[in-house]
Amino acid sequence: NAGVTQTPKFQVLKTGQSMTLQCAQDMNHEYMSWYRQDPGMGLRLIHYSVGAGITDQGEVPNGYNVSRSTTEDFPLRLLSAAPSQTSVYFCASRETQREGRRNEQFFGPGTRLTVL
Amino acid sequence: QQQVKQSPQSLIVQKGGISIINCAYENTAFDYFPWYQQFPGKGPALLIAIRPDVSEKKEGRFTISFNKSAKQFSLHIMDSQPGDSATYFCAASITGTASKLTFGTGTRLQVTL
Repeated sequence: NAGVTQTPKFQVLKTGQSMTLQCAQDMNHEYMSWYRQDPGMGLRLIHYSVGAGITDQGEVPNGYNVSRSTTEDFPLRLLSAAPSQTSVYFCASRETQREGRRNEQFFGPGTRLTVL
Repeated sequence: QQQVKQSPQSLIVQKGGISIINCAYENTAFDYFPWYQQFPGKGPALLIAIRPDVSEKKEGRFTISFNKSAKQFSLHIMDSQPGDSATYFCAASITGTASKLTFGTGTRLQVTL
């Protein structure tokens, strides 16, 4: 299993440009999510999905869109990039959380995005 | 609103020493408390987790201590090694299908020789 994969690893955008960060998992996990990591702020949830066709907002959703057409893929779209969106973005997936299970959330390697 | 507060921000420990990282939470509905370890350039990975029905959980050199009444939990790394140098995040969530992890701000641990 490849686990959670993300592309690209690095990206530089100009203010106002749009782009899509790709995320895929091959573990048949129902739950997928996107986080951004900024120095001193930990990991903040952007959007999440509990299954194909179902998405919801997290803590910091503004400026980002998501869709989940398949179990495997969960792309994150930046509609009009702003310097405040300069960050490291992590995609994660896990099984539906249940009592007695390890409930491990698996993270991808991240995408480092710079918006000029 | 920061629901999970983590301290210290950074920590330097000598090889063989004990590393201690603390977290406090506000939401009493949280019932799952994991710790994640992150090496530079990598995504976080689950290290150890605890539920509030026990006060302590140990896995190798890593121990979580949990104090439900104080709404605090901590990670202890015994016999710290240079390979433990990483950033550690505590987190909390409520068990359920749409469960979302709320992370602390992270602690950068450096273990010196």
